[in-house]
Amino acid sequence: SAVISQKPSRDICQRGTSLTIQCQVDSQVTMMFWYRQQPGQSLTLIATANQGSEATYESGFVIDKFPISRPNLTFSTLTVSNMSPEDSSIYLCSVELANYGYTFGSGTRLTVV
Amino acid sequence: AQSVTQLGSHVSVSEGALVLLRCNYSSSVPPYLFWYVQYPNQGLQLLLKYTTGATLVKGINGFEAEFKKSETSFHLTKPSAHMSDAAEYFCAVTPEDSSYKLIFGSGTRLLVRP
Repeated sequence: SAVISQKPSRDICQRGTSLTIQCQVDSQVTMMFWYRQQPGQSLTLIATANQGSEATYESGFVIDKFPISRPNLTFSTLTVSNMSPEDSSIYLCSVELANYGYTFGSGTRLTVV
Repeated sequence: AQSVTQLGSHVSVSEGALVLLRCNYSSSVPPYLFWYVQYPNQGLQLLLKYTTGATLVKGINGFEAEFKKSETSFHLTKPSAHMSDAAEYFCAVTPEDSSYKLIFGSGTRLLVRP
């Protein structure tokens, strides 16, 4: 299976600021996915990132709040913009691997104060 | 809309006892089904998956799950619980209109008593 490196692993940020989360995969993948896991809750897909095209956002998520970059087939970033305490969550990136399924990074635990 | 229901937000078992975590899904087409485990302060680890073929799927750490189309279920079992099994477990399904993203259940926290 692929190894996904996600950083930072955790951060505490001031409200109104932005944080960029990086996701690096050790093999080339077509699609990368960004999920949010709010405290005590399940995972919700934020967007799907394809290399060379705009990310596709799920209902309730917008590009201005969660801009995504996908410069190549092994890397993506998710930015959480103009943060508020409600953005405190774990953010996870994921990729789909043939014959294996979906692999997740270890997550970024974000606390907004 | 497709959905995944996990019955029981918390399940408590004694060490050595049978583990049964329930998952039901709604879908009008054969789905892909997954179970993930999340240990404290960690990401998600794939336990097992069902795509096609044999309906009884064996995964890591002694877990297995059976796809029952007639019951729209994909329950996770393990014959004998170990203390290290204490974690959050998520059932997930690919939605009908896409095979490239996952819809997750609300999760079940497994507690293992000594």
